[in-house]
Amino acid sequence: DAKTTQPPSMDCAEGRAANLPCNHSTISGNEYVYWYRQIHSQGPQYIIHGLKNNETNEMASLIITEDRKSSTLILPHATLRDTAVYYCIVRIYSGNTPLVFGKGTRLSVIA
Amino acid sequence: GAVVSQHPSRVICKSGTSVKIECRSLDFQATTMFWYRQFPKQSLMLMATSNEGSKATYEQGVEKDKFLINHASLTLSTLTVTSAHPEDSSFYICSPLGAGFTDTQYFGPGTRLTVL
Repeated sequence: DAKTTQPPSMDCAEGRAANLPCNHSTISGNEYVYWYRQIHSQGPQYIIHGLKNNETNEMASLIITEDRKSSTLILPHATLRDTAVYYCIVRIYSGNTPLVFGKGTRLSVIA
Repeated sequence: GAVVSQHPSRVICKSGTSVKIECRSLDFQATTMFWYRQFPKQSLMLMATSNEGSKATYEQGVEKDKFLINHASLTLSTLTVTSAHPEDSSFYICSPLGAGFTDTQYFGPGTRLTVL
């Protein structure tokens, strides 16, 4: 079973920041928080991952709470092409452990 | 990120026929391959894991004789759906993992299988 909890859906106005929350209260010390997204009829796309520090890349920012029990993915300026299902997954950093997907959050960016 | 291809991207077949899906890791050697499937409006479910040169291990509820996985090389893995039935219609996605790419898992673009 997935070890994360996400809202099933969210809407965001185009050009505004999209903040996607994720709860992972049972996360272990050696587990990272990964975010992926899946645009309709495509394979999942890696977005970002982090352990305990906030992370930023060209796609998004990841904010992890100090107790690591929750995180927020931020898309700073959402566009229509960001409409997708976003998955928050906890996983150990390396090794042959496959990602286990929950139901994710369906983000709809509205013009 | 890693470049992964799948072929075909879409296939329609008659019930009872077999379909082969290819997955290639184009810029690294995949020592491990994960195969997922996704039914409409559902999330990805892991089907099986294969290591190069070894037999695949299947998740509970996935028939190993129906979903044949070959991982004979470090850049190519195939999934063959044998005697396909309409309930096998799904979106099949591969995910290779290899040396230098174990920290982040990348995915193929997926294959849409429709069995009539």
